[in-house]
Amino acid sequence: DVKVTQSSRYLVKRTGEKVFLECVQDMDHENMFWYRQDPGLGLRLIYFSYDVKMKEKGDIPEGYSVSREKKERFSLILESASTNQTSMYLCASSWDRDWNTGELFFGEGSRLTVL
Amino acid sequence: GENVEQHPSTLSVQEGDSAVIKCTYSDSASNYFPWYKQELGKRPQLIIDIRSNVGEKKDQRIAVTLNKTAKHFSLHITETQPEDSAVYFCAASMGNDYKLSFGAGTTVTVRA
Repeated sequence: DVKVTQSSRYLVKRTGEKVFLECVQDMDHENMFWYRQDPGLGLRLIYFSYDVKMKEKGDIPEGYSVSREKKERFSLILESASTNQTSMYLCASSWDRDWNTGELFFGEGSRLTVL
Repeated sequence: GENVEQHPSTLSVQEGDSAVIKCTYSDSASNYFPWYKQELGKRPQLIIDIRSNVGEKKDQRIAVTLNKTAKHFSLHITETQPEDSAVYFCAASMGNDYKLSFGAGTTVTVRA
């Protein structure tokens, strides 16, 4: 059974703080993704990675960066958190080499509140 | 980029009735259309998907239809049960740049 684990379920940070969201998958998946979920806006892709040390911008990368030093771990970084980054963050992974058609396996989500 | 619109945003049905959710997409090159279900407090999970070379796919009580000419696809749930209550997301791949774009979601409530 695929497991995607996000390090924190709930975080409260202050404006300007640096925030790290960690995600680990245990199925040797090639591809990893960070989505942001907001009511009425669905899931929006922030960044994705199809290989170690590779990263690609999604639809809303502004204010975020990512790191993938190991295949199983994909980190989302908010260099200077702002209140408009208060949201639910979902990590996902997929195996399919034709990765745009592979099933996404999601983590439980990290709810970030920026005060 | 790809734009996926999903309707309705909320849907309330009587147990045993059918539910239909419709999505439209903008990029005619899109060729993969998955549907994800997210129960309250849980992670989204794939429930069914369809590729552009078929027009319909069924899996027990759920089915998806695709009309490539009109650029829309729909999720059909028959004989709804309380456990079908969830948020459903449609999505489409953008083809050239391989991004999976999601709709805004439909909150389905099945009334007992």
